[in-house]
Amino acid sequence: AQSVTQLGSHVSVSEGALVLLRCNYSSSVPPYLFWYVQYPNQGLQLLLKYTTGATLVKGINGFEAEFKKSETSFHLTKPSAHMSDAAEYFCAVSGAAGNKLTFGGGTRVLVKP
Amino acid sequence: GAGVSQSPSNKVTEKGKDVELRCDPISGHTALYWYRQSLGQGLEFLIYFQGNSAPDKSGLPSDRFSAERTGGSVSTLTIQRTQQEDSAVYLCASSTRTGGRHDTQYFGPGTRLTVL
Repeated sequence: AQSVTQLGSHVSVSEGALVLLRCNYSSSVPPYLFWYVQYPNQGLQLLLKYTTGATLVKGINGFEAEFKKSETSFHLTKPSAHMSDAAEYFCAVSGAAGNKLTFGGGTRVLVKP
Repeated sequence: GAGVSQSPSNKVTEKGKDVELRCDPISGHTALYWYRQSLGQGLEFLIYFQGNSAPDKSGLPSDRFSAERTGGSVSTLTIQRTQQEDSAVYLCASSTRTGGRHDTQYFGPGTRLTVL
């Protein structure tokens, strides 16, 4: 079985500051991990994903995430927050059978000017 | 190119009525998924279609929920005898490959269902 835990349902950062969103997973198979972003009244958009290979994954909009197997983590970072980063972010892991996604509870990011 | 589209964008219904939600996947995508997003339960998988294979219905919460996919393209999610706890945003996603675990799922904007 798969599960995802996102620490912190809300995060507030100042514009220009580091964004760090935490994700820990549990998976019965080697995990494939995803970060999605959801802007208000929109669907989910893929930021980045880890499948195999390089553990540091770069995505869109300056985001990156590092897969750490020993810590069962896949934290998302961005060096400098922009007002347009205000959104909800979801970490997900794909299932053992097929690729239905199991999502974390989401983290809503507020960016302060 | 066109993304995943869903209709209607909003649906308000009365308790006990049936509703149908529609999803048009990206052309050529063989896999189609339905998820539900609610305040209490977060994002939950409902059902998964892959080509001509039998769908994975393991996430459907009750027998009031059903879905079909016609011609390998458009899908309809039907909720019978709606209850207030069915109020949620229903998201559809599609992907290109044959159910690979690493496939990127592309999501539609969702249908917001409100049951009064």
